[in-house]
Amino acid sequence: ETGVTQTPRHLVMGMTNKKSLKCEQHLGHNAMYWYKQSAKKPLELMFVYNFKEQTENNSVPSRFSPECPNSSHLFLHLHTLQPEDSALYLCASSHADRINEQFFGPGTRLTVL
Amino acid sequence: GESVGLHLPTLSVQEGDNSIINCAYSNSASDYFIWYKQESGKGPQFIIDIRSNMDKRQGQRVTVLLNKTVKHLSLQIAATQPGDSAVYFCAELKAAGNKLTFGGGTRVLVKP
Repeated sequence: ETGVTQTPRHLVMGMTNKKSLKCEQHLGHNAMYWYKQSAKKPLELMFVYNFKEQTENNSVPSRFSPECPNSSHLFLHLHTLQPEDSALYLCASSHADRINEQFFGPGTRLTVL
Repeated sequence: GESVGLHLPTLSVQEGDNSIINCAYSNSASDYFIWYKQESGKGPQFIIDIRSNMDKRQGQRVTVLLNKTVKHLSLQIAATQPGDSAVYFCAELKAAGNKLTFGGGTRVLVKP
C-alpha cells in the first residue's frame, strides 16, 4: 500500500537465535530508516542510510546489525537478543532531501523469548 | 505530550465533529514539524508538515497550527470520520539534521 514492504510480519525467536528482518521500497527513494516502536517509549530511530551509506546509529546495541546493499533494500540482522527487545520494528524510506516525509512499512512484530 | 506505556492520551470525538490534537515541543531549533497517523496494524503515515517560519498550513480536511511563542503544535481535523480513528504522532526535524524525533502519540476514537 505505501510502497514499503517488510518481511516477516511476525517473528518469534529465542535469545540464542540469529534472524534477519527485510525491508524493500518501490518508491525510488534514496534514504532508508529502521525504527523501534515499543509499548513504553515513543517511536525510536535506530539507523539511517543515505545512498546506501549509514549516516546515523542512534546508540543501538551491537546485537542489532543493519545492512543496506542498495537503495531499495534494507536488512536488520538480529543476534542474541533480549526479551526487552520485543517490539514492532518499522522500516521507512524517503527522498534524502525530504526527510520530513517518510513512508513506513507495516512493521515486523518481534517477540524474544 | 509524552505518553507512558499503553496509556496514550485519548481523544473521543463524535463523528462529524472537529478534532483538535495537541503537541508540545521543547526544541526551538527544529526546522519542520510534522504530523503522522498510525492505524491499527499499519506503520505511521505522513499527514502534513509545517516549516518553522510558518504558523498555519492547511491540507485536505486538516489544518496544522504552530505557536512558537509557547512551543505548541496542533492538528485540526474537520468533520471527523470513522476512518480518522488512529494514533496521531507529532514529530520534529531539527535544522540541518537527518532524523525525525517523534512524540508519544494521541489516540483518537471516533464515535458513530
